[in-house]
Amino acid sequence: DAKTTQPTSMDCAEGRAANLPCNHSTISGNEYVYWYRQIHSQGPQYIIHGLKNNETNEMASLIITEDRKSSTLILPHATLRDTAVYYCIVRVGGNQFYFGTGTSLTVIP
Amino acid sequence: GAVVSQHPSRVICKSGTSVKIECRSLDFQATTMFWYRQFPKQSLMLMATSNEGSKATYEQGVEKDKFLINHASLTLSTLTVTSAHPEDSSFYICSAHDRVSWDTQYFGPGTRLTVL
Repeated sequence: DAKTTQPTSMDCAEGRAANLPCNHSTISGNEYVYWYRQIHSQGPQYIIHGLKNNETNEMASLIITEDRKSSTLILPHATLRDTAVYYCIVRVGGNQFYFGTGTSLTVIP
Repeated sequence: GAVVSQHPSRVICKSGTSVKIECRSLDFQATTMFWYRQFPKQSLMLMATSNEGSKATYEQGVEKDKFLINHASLTLSTLTVTSAHPEDSSFYICSAHDRVSWDTQYFGPGTRLTVL
């Protein structure tokens, strides 16, 4: 599975949009991009995933570049409860997840 | 979304004893479950892939005789830490594929193991 690169940490003001970038320059054509988040001492929570089209659900939007080498997770109106570590993972559907170090997002009041 | 439970949520045991952790998919059937370990301030590390009705596949460096995995049904996988030692103290997390919508994994809440 392709390796991903994410910033170690980010801050975001409460109520503003949080944009979390992820680089996956070696992604292959059949690998999906997944986003999960982990709040302290809990199991990871699924957020969203996509192959090449942009995706939106009730939690977030996923923007994937046309060459698929990078993506951005957008939390449209960040709240304090969105403070967590966010993981970007690429993998072929049905296979194992290998987690990177993720981005620690802190939402500031 | 699909729900995965783990039991117990927290366990403290003496060195040398064995501990069993259960992972259940509550509202879906999972032919494949995964076990992860997470040390403080670190990311999740995949330990093994558990397939219903067959032997688990372990990641490199994970001792299969120490971490016994059984996936006896489509809704239950167990991880047994045998002869636990203080260095096995960690946060153990399982996840499961929904066999219908196989492209998404759902994670359990984790089990905090402390070995004294």
